[in-house]
Amino acid sequence: DQQVKQNSPSLSVQEGRISILNCDYTNSMFDYFLWYKKYPAEGPTFLISISSIKDKNEDGRFTVFLNKSAKHLSLHIVPSQPGDSAVYFCAASLLNFNKFYFGSGTKLNVKP
Amino acid sequence: DVKVTQSSRYLVKRTGEKVFLECVQDMDHENMFWYRQDPGLGLRLIYFSYDVKMKEKGDIPEGYSVSREKKERFSLILESASTNQTSMYLCASTPRTLAKNIQYFGAGTRLSVL
Repeated sequence: DQQVKQNSPSLSVQEGRISILNCDYTNSMFDYFLWYKKYPAEGPTFLISISSIKDKNEDGRFTVFLNKSAKHLSLHIVPSQPGDSAVYFCAASLLNFNKFYFGSGTKLNVKP
Repeated sequence: DVKVTQSSRYLVKRTGEKVFLECVQDMDHENMFWYRQDPGLGLRLIYFSYDVKMKEKGDIPEGYSVSREKKERFSLILESASTNQTSMYLCASTPRTLAKNIQYFGAGTRLSVL
């Protein structure tokens, strides 16, 4: 049973608009969350992370929000650019363990 | 820059063959991982290793084994390849630290078993 779920397999957004990617998790013991970006024929690369002691982390155009009561996190990309078109995976872990749980990914298409 | 290198980008094997997928990292990381990525299922952990000669089963270890004889190298072995092992295989590594843990991934090996 997947402990991290991304219920939207794909998302299409116009360039310059906001992209919002969502992720839900079931294990309330998770205390560290990450987003990875994956281009075709490449491995995932780290994008942004958030600790469970925070509810928001921002890095340039990328912001991750964490709602612990809802066990939900989201990634906001503003403004979206065509180069952001990729598959985005969310992941969760326990900080003192080295095992990561990944969602199934959301394919983002940013249209010029 | 951390580099995780997977020896093959594409592999085609026949059912029943023994298959070796190799992964090397150059950052002296203690932890190494093997995942497979399938459409709609995301990344699923096959095995991981937190030290030389140590290994732990992940979520889907059946049909696979691993070897970690040196710190920088982590091999995934398909003892007798089957068609349901056709997939993208990703290797990753992390340092053993309680600080922010980021996994560094290789480019992947796309394996087709015919």
